[in-house]
Amino acid sequence: GAGVSQSPSNKVTEKGKDVELRCDPISGHTALYWYRQSLGQGLEFLIYFQGNSAPDKSGLPSDRFSAERTGGSVSTLTIQRTQQEDSAVYLCASSLTLADTQYFGPGTRLTVL
Amino acid sequence: QKEVEQDPGPLSVPEGAIVSLNCTYSNSAFQYFMWYRQYSRKGPELLMYTYSSGNKEDGRFTAQVDKSSKYISLFIRDSQPSDSATYLCAMILDSNYQLIWGAGTKLIIKP
Repeated sequence: GAGVSQSPSNKVTEKGKDVELRCDPISGHTALYWYRQSLGQGLEFLIYFQGNSAPDKSGLPSDRFSAERTGGSVSTLTIQRTQQEDSAVYLCASSLTLADTQYFGPGTRLTVL
Repeated sequence: QKEVEQDPGPLSVPEGAIVSLNCTYSNSAFQYFMWYRQYSRKGPELLMYTYSSGNKEDGRFTAQVDKSSKYISLFIRDSQPSDSATYLCAMILDSNYQLIWGAGTKLIIKP
C-alpha cells in the first residue's frame, strides 16, 4: 500500500515568510510525528499526535512553529516568520499506535534565504 | 553532552568487509534500541529493533546491546555497495514513546 507522503519535496522561501508543510500518513495509522533533521545531525523531535488525544508539543523550538492534524489523518506543520536557522529537512512519520514501528516519509527540504 | 553519541563518519570500507557501527548513551533508563538506515534524500527506515540487552541477528545484520556499558552496535557482514547509506541509532525510554536519535554515521562501501 501507499507509504507516508509529504509535500512539497522542496521549499525555498524568504526570511520572514510563513510556510506550510503537509504530511499524508499511512491509512489507519493513529500516531503521527514530525521531526527536523539538520545537516549532519540526528532527528530532532518536534510534535506527535495520537488519535484524539492532545498532541505532545514538547519538541517545538518556538511559538513560530505549530501543527495540526485534521480528521485524524493529514497533518500540516506551519512555520511563521521563517528564519535562516529553520533551514532543514522536515520529516513526518506515522505508526499504527504509539508503540509501533514508525514509517517515515521522504521529507520536505526547507531552505530559508 | 548529548544523550546519544554517534560518530558521523564517513566510514569507508571495501566491499565484503565486516562493518561495525556504534552508539553510546548516557541515560540508563533507555529500554528499546533501534537502528535505522537512511538513503540519500529518503526518510529513515527501521532496520533492527532490540529490547534491553543481548544480540539480535537478521540476515547479514546483527544488533548488539550492552546496557552495562551503555553501548550499542550494529554489525554488517559481507558488506555490499547497496549498504552505502547513513545509519542512525535511536532509543526509547520505557515510559514514553519519544525516540532519541544519534547523529547518524555515513557508511560508504567501495566496490
